[in-house]
Amino acid sequence: DSGVTQTPKHLITATGQRVTLRCSPRSGDLSVYWYQQSLDQGLQFLIQYYNGEERAKGNILERFSAQQFPDLHSELNLSSLELGDSALYFCASSGDFDTGELFFGEGSRLTVL
Amino acid sequence: AQTVTQSQPEMSVQEAETVTLSCTYDTSENNYYLFWYKQPPSRQMILVIRQEAYKQQNATENRFSVNFQKAAKSFSLKISDSQLGDTAMYFCAFTPSNSGYALNFGKGTSLLVTP
Repeated sequence: DSGVTQTPKHLITATGQRVTLRCSPRSGDLSVYWYQQSLDQGLQFLIQYYNGEERAKGNILERFSAQQFPDLHSELNLSSLELGDSALYFCASSGDFDTGELFFGEGSRLTVL
Repeated sequence: AQTVTQSQPEMSVQEAETVTLSCTYDTSENNYYLFWYKQPPSRQMILVIRQEAYKQQNATENRFSVNFQKAAKSFSLKISDSQLGDTAMYFCAFTPSNSGYALNFGKGTSLLVTP
């Protein structure tokens, strides 16, 4: 158990809809990272938050947004969903930056029909 | 941009044998961390081993060891005495040291351990 909690574990929705994925980092970790894993693209970094502030952006679509709340949990919002958004979405957290290690949640499997 | 390349999409090894997974990376950074993560069918991403670029000694964790060649920008993972439970996707990853930035992953190698 990594200590990172993601909900929901599975989600099925229709094209055009909006969903919210939730992540609780390990206790005390200030950084949260979101990744998308699809079959043909591997693990793609989407966005990072540090102590409530956006710190780095990767290949995140404009239809996607995220935030980190004062209690350090984070939400990833996906809107106007398309079939191609079907993927496994991972949240990871880290404490200090000395080791570089990320601790991953179990992922949220999104299926868009 | 930093890229990580895993040139072996799939590999297979028999139980108790040794297998080596390849990884190369491209960076202009001098100090960085390299990782191998394992993703079994349960899909949880699990850290296997970590290497700091400034350390010349190759990292080892029980049956897992790396061959880190900084000049060649190569970071291979050797699994000795392979076990059925080693069946998983293996991802090589990179991040600059002390940056706190996201890991940059390769596309992964699917390893199948057969009886």
